Amino acid sequence: EDQVTQSPEALRLQEGESSSLNCSYTVSGLRGLFWYRQDPGKGPEFLFTLYSAGEEKEKERLKATLTKKESFLHITAPKPEDSATYLCAVRESGGSNYKLTFGKGTLLTVNP
Amino acid sequence: DAGITQSPRYKITETGRQVTLMCHQTWSHSYMFWYRQDLGHGLRLIYYSAAADITDKGEVPDGYVVSRSKTENFPLTLESATRSQTSVYFCATRDRFREQYFGPGTRLTVT
Repeated sequence: EDQVTQSPEALRLQEGESSSLNCSYTVSGLRGLFWYRQDPGKGPEFLFTLYSAGEEKEKERLKATLTKKESFLHITAPKPEDSATYLCAVRESGGSNYKLTFGKGTLLTVNP
Repeated sequence: DAGITQSPRYKITETGRQVTLMCHQTWSHSYMFWYRQDLGHGLRLIYYSAAADITDKGEVPDGYVVSRSKTENFPLTLESATRSQTSVYFCATRDRFREQYFGPGTRLTVT
């Protein structure tokens, strides 16, 4: 069973059509949840770190939120340049402080 | 400020050959990592290094060797490449806030 599950696998939006991406996790204790953006042919780009339930962080049209079992990446009025794969990763308490477990990502396409 | 660079960006090699992927960082971060990214698996950790001369295995280390004689460099060697090692390889570092930053990747094809 995957510890980190992202849904949907792919999402197609029209420009301006707000939506959310989901990242659910089953680790026993969370020491951090990370969101990354990955453009085709490039490495993942760090977006946010969330540490505790109720925490929220924002950057431009993106807002990440965290509950005890999942995180959402809300995209408000997206633009075509927001098209990318969005990756979620968790660091588990009790494990090594370096280890991140990644989900498989959500491929977001925003059409003009 | 280049951050993390990887070379080569693309490599085609034959089964059984040795190949080394290079990673260089300009930040002097202590921790460095090697991941592979494959369809259906996401990013998986191969090896990591906590400092110069300190390395340890990750989730999928078999068939790979690493070294770290200098803080800024972390090469990954495939001693005898196999087709299952065809993948995109990413190097990453970790800053003092424990956030990881990734290089541009090396796309390796083993024929």
